[in-house]
Amino acid sequence: DAGVIQSPRHEVTEMGQEVTLRCKPISGHDYLFWYRQTMMRGLELLIYFNNNVPIDDSGMPEDRFSAKMPNASFSTLKIQPSEPRDSAVYFCASSVGRVNEQFFGPGTRLTVL
Amino acid sequence: GQNIDQPTEMTATEGAIVQINCTYQTSGFNGLFWYQQHAGEAPTFLSYNVLDGLEEKGRFSSFLSRSKGYSYLLLKELQMKDSASYLCAVAPRSGGYQKVTFGIGTKLQVIP
Repeated sequence: DAGVIQSPRHEVTEMGQEVTLRCKPISGHDYLFWYRQTMMRGLELLIYFNNNVPIDDSGMPEDRFSAKMPNASFSTLKIQPSEPRDSAVYFCASSVGRVNEQFFGPGTRLTVL
Repeated sequence: GQNIDQPTEMTATEGAIVQINCTYQTSGFNGLFWYQQHAGEAPTFLSYNVLDGLEEKGRFSSFLSRSKGYSYLLLKELQMKDSASYLCAVAPRSGGYQKVTFGIGTKLQVIP
């Protein structure tokens, strides 16, 4: 298996633009997680899905952030409009079961100018 | 809620032993994870402790005391490639919808 796949690996955009991050989980995994990592706050869970259904989005900072999982093999995290404070590394992870080992993708490094 | 505390940075010498501590306070607890994250890379799984005691995996061991809300990761025979951040994460009880919560991570620097 190729592991969790994320795209793009790097994204540089200007404030106010829409940003879409993509994730393909490991086949057969029933949980998908979106995290944001910064030096100051560490790894923060934004939202997680179980069998494509959003379960907990309490970590989503504000309405500018939205996430979807239209099928078992694809998820997106969208920021519209983007702001400089959104600059961070965004990780997608998947697992079998909610409390089992999570497999992380390589991350998307987002820079908002 | 959950509160996780671990040192921000540590330095140790190649060939030595280092212990990275993690304390936690949580309303519901199932187990504790340790992940390793090299700079610029994704976290990777090291261990998961559910029961009290020490579990050994080669040069790495992880300890858990549920009653004290305390865990540590022990790295023996340190190598330069062990320079990385080490994240502890608390796993909630299996029932319900609570999420796994990560600590801020301990950045370990191994020096010659």
